[in-house]
Amino acid sequence: DQQVKQNSPSLSVQEGRISILNCDYTNSMFDYFLWYKKYPAEGPTFLISISSIKDKNEDGRFTVFLNKSAKHLSLHIVPSQPGDSAVYFCAATLLNDYKLSFGAGTTVTVRA
Amino acid sequence: NAGVTQTPKFRILKIGQSMTLQCTQDMNHNYMYWYRQDPGMGLKLIYYSVGAGITDKGEVPNGYNVSRSTTEDFPLRLELAAPSQTSVYFCASLSAGQETQYFGPGTRLLVL
Repeated sequence: DQQVKQNSPSLSVQEGRISILNCDYTNSMFDYFLWYKKYPAEGPTFLISISSIKDKNEDGRFTVFLNKSAKHLSLHIVPSQPGDSAVYFCAATLLNDYKLSFGAGTTVTVRA
Repeated sequence: NAGVTQTPKFRILKIGQSMTLQCTQDMNHNYMYWYRQDPGMGLKLIYYSVGAGITDKGEVPNGYNVSRSTTEDFPLRLELAAPSQTSVYFCASLSAGQETQYFGPGTRLLVL
């Protein structure tokens, strides 16, 4: 049973606008969440993370929001750039468990 | 510092053949992982290792074997390849105390 879900397989956004990617999880024990970015023919690379003790973490154009009561997190990219076109994976883990559960990914296409 | 390297990049196997996917990391990471990614799906954990000589099953271990004789290397063995093993395989590593896994570029395997 998939514990991390990304229900939107794809997202198309105009350059300069905001991209919002959503992720839901079912295991209330998860206490650390990550977003990975993947280009074609490459491995995923770490983008941003958030601990369950926070509700927001920001890194440049990327912000992750966590709503523990709703078991929901989102990634905001502002402003979106053509280089942001990639597949984004949401992942969750228990701290010190060292194993990740991944969502199916959302393909983001940034249009010029 | 090459990070995580995987060989080969691409391979075609016939049903029933066997092969070993190689993974090496030069970051002295304790933890290493093998994932497979099928189209439209997230990454599924096959096997992982917490250190040399110690391995354990992930979500989808059937049809695979691993060994960890050194800190650097974590090969994945496929015995009696089946079409269901057609996938992209990613190796990853992580240092104890961190939560971010570093991924290799992947091996694309086609079983016909």
